Amino acid sequence: GAVVSQHPSWVICKSGTSVKIECRSLDFQATTMFWYRQFPKQSLMLMATSNEGSKATYEQGVEKDKFLINHASLTLSTLTVTSAHPEDSSFYICSANQKGPTPLNTEAFFGQGTRLTVV
Amino acid sequence: AQSVTQLDSHVSVSEGTPVLLRCNYSSSYSPSLFWYVQHPNKGLQLLLKYTSAATLVKGINGFEAEFKKSETSFHLTKPSAHMSVAAEYFCVVISHSGGYNKLIFGAGTRLAVHP
Repeated sequence: GAVVSQHPSWVICKSGTSVKIECRSLDFQATTMFWYRQFPKQSLMLMATSNEGSKATYEQGVEKDKFLINHASLTLSTLTVTSAHPEDSSFYICSANQKGPTPLNTEAFFGQGTRLTVV
Repeated sequence: AQSVTQLDSHVSVSEGTPVLLRCNYSSSYSPSLFWYVQHPNKGLQLLLKYTSAATLVKGINGFEAEFKKSETSFHLTKPSAHMSVAAEYFCVVISHSGGYNKLIFGAGTRLAVHP
């Protein structure tokens, strides 16, 4: 199957600093990537849809100025957590859809996730 | 709107016994359904998917799921549990919203396997 690489796998940063997380589709082009947040022992919450060459679409309640998304190429999307605070500590996961013959055959491939700890 | 409900937050089985993880869906059209597995601090791996072809879907590592429209269910099964399958399992439905195919996740079921 297709591979999505997410980097870094874990990061510790000081409160007030910014952190960038990268999501790459290694062997396919992804016009759309998705960013999720997962709290401990909870499900994945969709934060935003990243669109190549245009602005990201954020889900309700997600601060776009806090979580900056850039999708500069067909294989790379980045999520920057700006002015991070301890409450931003979480597991962040990206995914990219590899399109099949029909929309119903679209399959999502996930990155390995990034554990962010803000101290 | 599309949604999935995982009926059990925790399931515990003995090694060698069958596994049943339950999922009910709600969809205004013929759904695309998936089961993903997540090991601790890892990304998600696709186990299997239903996309309106055969109702009994076979996945990796001996997992199966049966799409039952009359019951709006897509339960995941495995004949015999092994310690290695202890993980978090997510039932997922695709939502065609705003021109995108978004994944809607269930709350997850934590599967524990004991000797």
